[in-house]
Formats: sequence, C-alpha cells, structure tokens
Amino acid sequence: KQEVTQIPAALSVPEGENLVLNCSFTDSAIYNLQWFRQDPGKGLTSLLLIQSSQREQTSGRLNASLDKSSGRSTLYIAASQPGDSATYLCAVRTGQNFVFGPGTRLSVLP
Amino acid sequence: GAGVSQTPSNKVTEKGKYVELRCDPISGHTALYWYRQSLGQGPEFLIYFQGTGAADDSGLPNDRFFAVRPEGSVSTLKIQRTERGDSAVYLCASSSGGNEQFFGPGTRLTVL
Repeated sequence: KQEVTQIPAALSVPEGENLVLNCSFTDSAIYNLQWFRQDPGKGLTSLLLIQSSQREQTSGRLNASLDKSSGRSTLYIAASQPGDSATYLCAVRTGQNFVFGPGTRLSVLP
Repeated sequence: GAGVSQTPSNKVTEKGKYVELRCDPISGHTALYWYRQSLGQGPEFLIYFQGTGAADDSGLPNDRFFAVRPEGSVSTLKIQRTERGDSAVYLCASSSGGNEQFFGPGTRLTVL
C-alpha cells in the first residue's frame, strides 16, 4: 500500500528566503506526482505535475524534482513571498487513484 | 465550465439523515475523483470514475457511501444514515486521461 509523507509538517521563514519542501513515498511504481497548494478553507490548486519519466518541472519561482528510485520529490520555492503562505501537498498516482501526503504548512513572514 | 464546481459549499445535517453532494467537472474531462479531507490531513481517496463507471471504489469507507455519474459528467456522492464521523470537507477533482487533477472548492459537511 502506497504511503506518502511530507517533511517538515510546518515551516516558517522570513520573506525572500529560498526553501525546500520534501515528499517521500514508499512504492516507486508511480505514474506521476503532483504538487498542490491549499489556502485555508479552500480547494487545492495544482502547481506542478511530474510524469514518472521526468526528473523535474519548473513554473516561475517553483521547481519540483522527482527521484523515483529513492521515492522522493522536492519542491523548491525561490525568493519566497508572504503570498506563498499556504499548505503544500504532494500526491502520487499509483494505479487508478492518487495518494496524498499530509502537507507542509508554510508561513512566509514579511 | 471554467473549472470544477461543487454544491452545496456547506451542508449541515443531523445524525441519521441522508445527504447528496454534487460535483460538476471540467467539460470534457472523463476522469472524476472524490476525496474526503479532515482537518490537518491530506485528502483521502474515496472513488474514481472513468466515464460513467466507477473504475475504483476501494476508498469508500462502508456501504453507507455511494456515488454515481450516470451521464459521464456530473457526479453525486450520496451518504446514508450520516454519522458525526462523516463530518469533513468532501473534494471533487477531474482530469483528462488520469493526469493532472483539477479540484473544486469542496463541500464542508457537518453532521450534528
């Protein structure tokens, strides 16, 4: 059974810092991995999707990497801003469905 | 439509009652997913539709939960004899070909 963990559970940084969020999964037989952000009381917003054959994806200040063999993905956020404050979740597609991690709650302080 | 929509946004019901939650996916998306999210946790998979059929319903917690998608577009999640433990945010997502998922805003269900 696929299990997904995220470290750290919470992170607080001053504005302008670069930061890394981690996602680990136990079964490397995945089709893809997707990173989301969730604002309080809202649904999930897709950030990046990495197919199993890819090593990384970039969108603006965000860069996500995937090391399938070791069961890890990282989300790198450059030059963080207060508007980046949210919970970040990763999800892996195994078979027909997706398994989510518990999320990392990020606070960027002005 | 422009995105995934869900109705109602909030639902308060009493223990033992029946509820229906609706999801309207992005037009043309053949895959539709239902998830349940409790406070402080990631979404938990419930059921996946490919077209009109439930391709994977392994996440439904028990037989009080049922979902349909009769015409391959709108889906309804049905919960019978609701219990306080069913209180959560119910999220719907759709995708094209099982790739990138797009989520709706969710329905917050409160069972008193």
